[in-house]
Amino acid sequence: GQQVMQIPQYQHVQEGEDFTTYCNSSTTLSNIQWYKQRPGGHPVFLIQLVKSGEVKKQKRLTFQFGEAKKNSSLHITATQTTDVGTYFCAVFTGGFKTIFGAGTRLFVKA
Amino acid sequence: EPEVTQTPSHQVTQMGQEVILRCVPISNHLYFYWYRQILGQKVEFLVSFYNNEISEKSEIFDDQFSVERPDGSNFTLKIRSTKLEDSAMYFCASSGAQGLHYEQYFGPGTRLTVT
Repeated sequence: GQQVMQIPQYQHVQEGEDFTTYCNSSTTLSNIQWYKQRPGGHPVFLIQLVKSGEVKKQKRLTFQFGEAKKNSSLHITATQTTDVGTYFCAVFTGGFKTIFGAGTRLFVKA
Repeated sequence: EPEVTQTPSHQVTQMGQEVILRCVPISNHLYFYWYRQILGQKVEFLVSFYNNEISEKSEIFDDQFSVERPDGSNFTLKIRSTKLEDSAMYFCASSGAQGLHYEQYFGPGTRLTVT
């Protein structure tokens, strides 16, 4: 079945620094979703990308879907302490099954 | 803002006992899901449910698990005979229809502890 690998596992940044997490698959993906989970919280849907080469922005967050639809990235510009949490990529399949990556846990030092 | 609710927030049970985890999805949503997350690990899909039947289930969702939508508002996950390895956070999620069916809203979770 489909799997998505995510790197890095952890990232420590100083507040104001940028952060990027990467998601990779060995197979072509129909879509890629991104979720954020605050410590002790539940996953919150951020976005879904479906088109090859697609780039979407949400304030300081930039999401990209690779040209081959085998990789994706989430970039946060000028991190803030409110960005702390785990960022998951996921694939939503036609059977309404969502396969999550292992997540990247972001720590932000003020 | 509408939200998914789950009860109880924490359930402690003995190995071999049956547990029922309850969820109230967002009222106009049509697709319902259960996930689990072992502490510090990734979110794992268990089952999706649409039109009163299971759409898809994972390998984790074996005969010990069942789901039900007993009325127009509740969505339940039953584990018939709990094992120690069932200890995890269980999240319910729901999504709407007509193009936004992929945008899932998660509940706060039920922490299940099996002793």
